[in-house]
Amino acid sequence: RKEVEQDPGPFNVPEGATVAFNCTYSNSASQSFFWYRQDCRKEPKLLMSVYSSGNEDGRFTAQLNRASQYISLLIRDSKLSDSATYLCVVNTRANNLFFGTGTRLTVIP
Amino acid sequence: DAGVTQSPTHLIKTRGQHVTLRCSPISGHKSVSWYQQVLGQGPQFIFQYYEKEERGRGNFPDRFSARQFPNYSSELNVNALLLGDSALYLCASSFQGPTGELFFGEGSRLTVL
Repeated sequence: RKEVEQDPGPFNVPEGATVAFNCTYSNSASQSFFWYRQDCRKEPKLLMSVYSSGNEDGRFTAQLNRASQYISLLIRDSKLSDSATYLCVVNTRANNLFFGTGTRLTVIP
Repeated sequence: DAGVTQSPTHLIKTRGQHVTLRCSPISGHKSVSWYQQVLGQGPQFIFQYYEKEERGRGNFPDRFSARQFPNYSSELNVNALLLGDSALYLCASSFQGPTGELFFGEGSRLTVL
């Protein structure tokens, strides 16, 4: 089983739509969770950390469900500029960070 | 301030050759991690160094090795290159170790022919 699993998509949504991504992780001892964004042919950049109580940053909301070992990312009022690949990142054994395969989002005008 | 810098940005090698990739972290960052990203996949963890010691190793063969220097820069070495080693190799630095925010360089794109 992979350390981190995500639906690769692609997700094609119209501008203004709400879209949600889920990610599952295998190590129940994981402590740190992140969402990174990667634009085409660019390096990944941190979008937001995911806290146990859930957290929000503008149009973006991240949730953590430890019991089911998944994290989610909700994007409201999608913009064209949100088109990118969203990477779920979890620290697993030996305290190193593992990335999911990424979920590709395309926001359509 | 300079971000994470990697060199070379692009390189082409043939099977069986050896390659060395270099990374300079953000000033003040003591942790460097290496990732391999194949087209269409997420970055795969290769190594993590903190304070010049290996702190983690991913599921890669012994052909892959790395080290971190006293100035916290790092090298990734790959021996006996295979076609499947063609990928973007990303270096990331962080201040507080692997669970802090990672800052990535633009990567070194390796093509093995």
